[in-house]
Amino acid sequence: AQTVTQSQPEMSVQEAETVTLSCTYDTSESDYYLFWYKQPPSRQMILVIRQEAYKQQNATENRFSVNFQKAAKSFSLKISDSQLGDAAMYFCAYRSTTSGTYKYIFGTGTRLKVLA
Amino acid sequence: DTAVSQTPKYLVTQMGNDKSIKCEQNLGHDTMYWYKQDSKKFLKIMFSYNNKELIINETVPNRFSPKSPDKAHLNLHINSLELGDSAVYFCASSQVWGWTGEDTQYFGPGTRLTVL
Repeated sequence: AQTVTQSQPEMSVQEAETVTLSCTYDTSESDYYLFWYKQPPSRQMILVIRQEAYKQQNATENRFSVNFQKAAKSFSLKISDSQLGDAAMYFCAYRSTTSGTYKYIFGTGTRLKVLA
Repeated sequence: DTAVSQTPKYLVTQMGNDKSIKCEQNLGHDTMYWYKQDSKKFLKIMFSYNNKELIINETVPNRFSPKSPDKAHLNLHINSLELGDSAVYFCASSQVWGWTGEDTQYFGPGTRLTVL
């Protein structure tokens, strides 16, 4: 069974600085998807970024980028130029591409605080 | 336009009562999900429907019964509510594309259920 681990329960970053959130996962599959979701205090789950395992290039979305290390089964999220609005819980998620398996497996989350 | 909507957003009820949470998506997706997020923010899948057919049914008490009248709706009915059912319940939807099994899940705003 696949597992997703986020070892940092809480992180802090100064406004305008860069922070990296860690995520590791365990799987025997070669093809899968990885995601980072953000959950602000409003509790809405918002997709931040996604990565297909068959792509070697790291995904980027504006100030958000990932460092995907397939061999190490690591998928970290880098937030550049941190803003107060980035303060939230961040969840890493794994999804198999096996036909008929649609569920996501989420990590336990990292709470990010942004200091003014 | 709200992509995935849930009603109600807050639900406070007494132990032993029966309650329902409704979910609707206007994204044209084939697959819908129910997740439970506990007080420690851990997000775990409960059920998933694909084209009105149940495809994921995790270890959930049979007091919980999902119902999908059509592929745009997935409701969650809970009988004989218990204190431990207090949590935030999220609905989500996705569309699996092509041979890669690519999909992204879009979440509703969540329903905070409090059982007294």
